[in-house]
Amino acid sequence: DAGVTQSPTHLIKTRGQQVTLRCSPKSGHDTVSWYQQALGQGPQFIFQYYEEEERQRGNFPDRFSGHQFPNYSSELNVNALLLGDSALYLCASSLVGENYGYTFGSGTRLTVV
Amino acid sequence: AQSVTQPDIHITVSEGASLELRCNYSYGATPYLFWYVQSPGQGLQLLLKYFSGDTLVQGIKGFEAEFKRSQSSFNLRKPSVHWSDAAEYFCAVVSGGATNKLIFGTGTLLAVQP
Repeated sequence: DAGVTQSPTHLIKTRGQQVTLRCSPKSGHDTVSWYQQALGQGPQFIFQYYEEEERQRGNFPDRFSGHQFPNYSSELNVNALLLGDSALYLCASSLVGENYGYTFGSGTRLTVV
Repeated sequence: AQSVTQPDIHITVSEGASLELRCNYSYGATPYLFWYVQSPGQGLQLLLKYFSGDTLVQGIKGFEAEFKRSQSSFNLRKPSVHWSDAAEYFCAVVSGGATNKLIFGTGTLLAVQP
């Protein structure tokens, strides 16, 4: 049973560029949440998607946007990258109605130079 | 607003020694609490969770945690630490609301001496 798959595992971008991160949820899960984990910090909630819509958003600017596809996979897009966007981006999937059964992926390490 | 505090940034213990990692939460109602472990370059793995009932919760890898409402604490313990336990540990609380997002502490980095 595949868990949560994130791609790519690492990438380096230049300030001002745009980036897209991808997440495939665990089989049977229909909800995807994204978290940003800066170095030395705990993960911070970015937003959550269910039924292809954003359910809730954390304290992140509009440069951060997302999408969920009919197969429940999700993308996180970040525009106009800043140095401060360098972080590990974690995807967590769950099944609606079982809100505490989060499964996390290994993350995408984004470095902005 | 809900919050989680992990007072210890870094802890070093000897292999075979006991371990206690501290976690304090701020939440108006009965909290749903979690402990996760993160090995270098990896995602988060759930160790255990508390929703209600028995305040002593057993988890994987020999870990346990005790919920103490009077102290707003949910400390993680292990009687005998193994070298493979070296990792970063995060305490988290569910925020409530439509998404039940997780609110994490800043983590405690555990080093294990031989």
